[in-house]
Order: sequence, then structure tokens, then C-alpha cells
Amino acid sequence: ELKVEQNPLFLSMQEGKNYTIYCNYSTTSDRLYWYRQDPGKSLESLFVLLSNGAVKQEGRLMASLDTKARLSTLHITAAVHDLSATYFCAVELIQGAQKLVFGQGTRLTINP
Amino acid sequence: KAGVTQTPRYLIKTRGQQVTLSCSPISGHRSVSWYQQTPGQGLQFLFEYFSETQRNKGNFPGRFSGRQFSNSRSEMNVSTLELGDSALYLCASSLFGQATGELFFGEGSRLTVL
Repeated sequence: ELKVEQNPLFLSMQEGKNYTIYCNYSTTSDRLYWYRQDPGKSLESLFVLLSNGAVKQEGRLMASLDTKARLSTLHITAAVHDLSATYFCAVELIQGAQKLVFGQGTRLTINP
Repeated sequence: KAGVTQTPRYLIKTRGQQVTLSCSPISGHRSVSWYQQTPGQGLQFLFEYFSETQRNKGNFPGRFSGRQFSNSRSEMNVSTLELGDSALYLCASSLFGQATGELFFGEGSRLTVL
């Protein structure tokens, strides 16, 4: 059974600081997704990582994938309040089948 | 381009009733999947449809069912509702065959079972 674990689950940080969210998964997969969810809202796609060594950046967020270590990271640079949200990673269980297994989510709070 | 549309957005039911939720995917998308989100269990996969066929199913009891129509619209049904079925039900669509396999989620249907 595929397990996806994120850490930390809760993160409170100051604006301007850098931090990293980690996503570990338990079985072979080369597709990993990062989503953002604001309270009461749906999931917004942030990154799709399709191969080992993939790195993608959008604004202050950068995601990477190491399939050999079964690890993805979401790095936040110079955090701003608008990035406060819950971040989920998800692994595609069966390639092309659109069946995702999600991590527990990391609730990120950025304080002014 | 319209996004994924789910209806109703909010609904309240009582135990033992049944409910039907609807999802209209992004135009041209042929794959629709459903997820349940609860505070305790997080996001869990329910099922996935492509071309009116269920391709994958999650670990949910038979009370949870779904279908997809020829226009790719999908419905899910939960019969004999239980308190634990209270959740946000999210529908996602994707353009089958694209390398990214990116999913686009709707706003969800928030079900409360009393």
C-alpha cells in the first residue's frame, strides 16, 4: 500500500524567511503533484513533477523530485503572507490512471 | 475556459437518506475522478471514470457509486448515508493521454449528514 507522508504537518513562520516542506512516499512512482488549498476552497495545482531530478519554480515556490530517495521537497523562499495555505503532495499510484494518494497536508501560516 | 463545475455546493441530509452529486468536467476532458476530504482521513480517492467506464475504485463501501455519461459529466451517489459520510467531495478532470496527467479540481460539494 502506497503511503505518502509530509512533514511538518504544521508550520508557522515569519515573512521573509525560507523553509522546506518534505514529502516522502513508500513505493516507486515518477509522478508527483503539489497542490495548494485555501480554507473552504478546492485544490489548486502548483507543480507536476514527472521524472527524477525534476525541478520546477513558480514565484517564491520551488519543487523538486528525487525518485530514488522517494522524496519531494517544496521550498519557500522569502515567504509572504499570501502563501499561507495548506499544501498537499500527491503521488500517482498507477501511471496514467489519475489515482492519486495524498499526503496529510502541511498547514502553513506566515506571520507578518 | 470554464473550470470543473460541481453541484450542489452545499447540502444537508439525514442518516439513511441518499445523495447524488454532479460534476461537469472541463470541456474536452474525458477523465473524471472523485475524492473525499475529511479532517480525520484527509483526501481519499473514490473512483475514476473514462469514457463512461470506471477504471479505478478506492477502498469505499458499495454505498458509494458513480457513473459517467457520454458527455463526460459524472455523478456520484451515496446511499444509506452515515454520519461519517460528512465531507467535502471533490471532482477532478483531466485530458486523458496528456503526459502531465494534471488534474483540475472543482470547488467541491460539502455534504453534512445529521
